[in-house]
Amino acid sequence: NAGVTQTPKFRVLKTGQSMTLLCAQDMNHEYMYWYRQDPGMGLRLIHYSVGEGTTAKGEVPDGYNVSRLKKQNFLLGLESAAPSQTSVYFCASSLDSAKRPQHFGDGTRLSIL
Amino acid sequence: AQSVTQLDSHVSVSEGTPVLLRCNYSSSYSPSLFWYVQHPNKGLQLLLKYTSAATLVKGINGFEAEFKKSETSFHLTKPSAHMSDAAEYFCVVSDQGAQKLVFGQGTRLTINP
Repeated sequence: NAGVTQTPKFRVLKTGQSMTLLCAQDMNHEYMYWYRQDPGMGLRLIHYSVGEGTTAKGEVPDGYNVSRLKKQNFLLGLESAAPSQTSVYFCASSLDSAKRPQHFGDGTRLSIL
Repeated sequence: AQSVTQLDSHVSVSEGTPVLLRCNYSSSYSPSLFWYVQHPNKGLQLLLKYTSAATLVKGINGFEAEFKKSETSFHLTKPSAHMSDAAEYFCVVSDQGAQKLVFGQGTRLTINP
């Protein structure tokens, strides 16, 4: 049972480079989320999706884009990385509502130099 | 808008003594409330959830929480701390539309031998 899988686990980028983080879930969940975690700030929602083909902005969407072309995958893109985007990124999914438990991946540690 | 305040950023207890992690919430509706735990370099794991069925909620690993509407609190307790309980704990509330979660800033629990 894989659950939620994030790829890659670690990455170092230079300022201005682009990259895509991949999140895959095998639980047939409708809802998927991308968060960033910074020291002392809890988890902050970047973007989320309530179903295939849908996306919505969260609390801190600037500098990020997302796509949900397939139900099982949720991609987070950084078009032009900035040092302020150095963080740990978590993907999560839930069955069909935020009242349901969210299942989290193990995170991607991203450093922007 | 809904919000969550975790009253302690760091709690330190001795092994075998009780644990109390405090959480207050603000909401204009009847929310769903959760406690998640995060061990080092891992994703978040659900400890327990409140969804209006019973005010005293039992979770995994001996943790429980009591929903007190009059005090807008959802404190997490455990009768006897174990070394393996050392982790970061997050109190979380669902938003009114049940699409997103709002996280507290986290409480780091340290267990002393």
